[in-house]
Amino acid sequence: EVRLVESGGDLVQPGRSLRLSCVVSGFTFDDYAMHWVRQAPGKGLEWVSHISWNSVSIDYADSVKGRFTVSRDNARNSLFLEMESLSAEDTAVYYCVRDQRSLTAFALDYWGQGTLVTVSS
Amino acid sequence: IQMTQSPSSLSASVGDRVTITCRASQSINTYLNWYQHKPGRAPSLLIYAASTLESGVPSRFRGYGSETDFTLTITSLQPEDFATYYCQQTYSPPLTFGGGTKVEIK
Repeated sequence: EVRLVESGGDLVQPGRSLRLSCVVSGFTFDDYAMHWVRQAPGKGLEWVSHISWNSVSIDYADSVKGRFTVSRDNARNSLFLEMESLSAEDTAVYYCVRDQRSLTAFALDYWGQGTLVTVSS
Repeated sequence: IQMTQSPSSLSASVGDRVTITCRASQSINTYLNWYQHKPGRAPSLLIYAASTLESGVPSRFRGYGSETDFTLTITSLQPEDFATYYCQQTYSPPLTFGGGTKVEIK
């Protein structure tokens, strides 16, 4: 069974940093590219970042570029999102998502349950 | 690439045929996916590459289109289909979702 379990979501003050983690099981992690997608309260889905299986291809949404850093540890079946200079606009449920392919983005076929990040003073 | 979905919401009855449209601001070939999202649950992939049904998804879900214009059709709406539906382009980063279409019970 494919499982993606996010952690690290928390209440954090504006301007602070936070690191999200996602541990996967049930598939060969380094065969797949991965994504982070978020949903702010009452809003739609927003793609955040993509990382290829070998971390060579990485992309970000304009709204997080320069502040967020995606990484992965294939030996630990883990995906990470380092978030800096957080603002209220970053408040959202963050989903860890698998892509069907290994290199470029194609289709997001397995989703975690999400972890909530709240940015507030 | 901007993705524009319409309508933003609709009311329909069980058994109805429902169509949702998604328009891309430039050609995306068939790099278009559809997702279903129910409150409190993770989104799920319904259709990828514009028209290919994801494994395990009922055949009443159908996707059409290419280039800039796409549709998702539910041929006979079932109670479990009431949800929000999103299109997404994966033609080029940054990847973008449509604004969503909420399908409600009439």
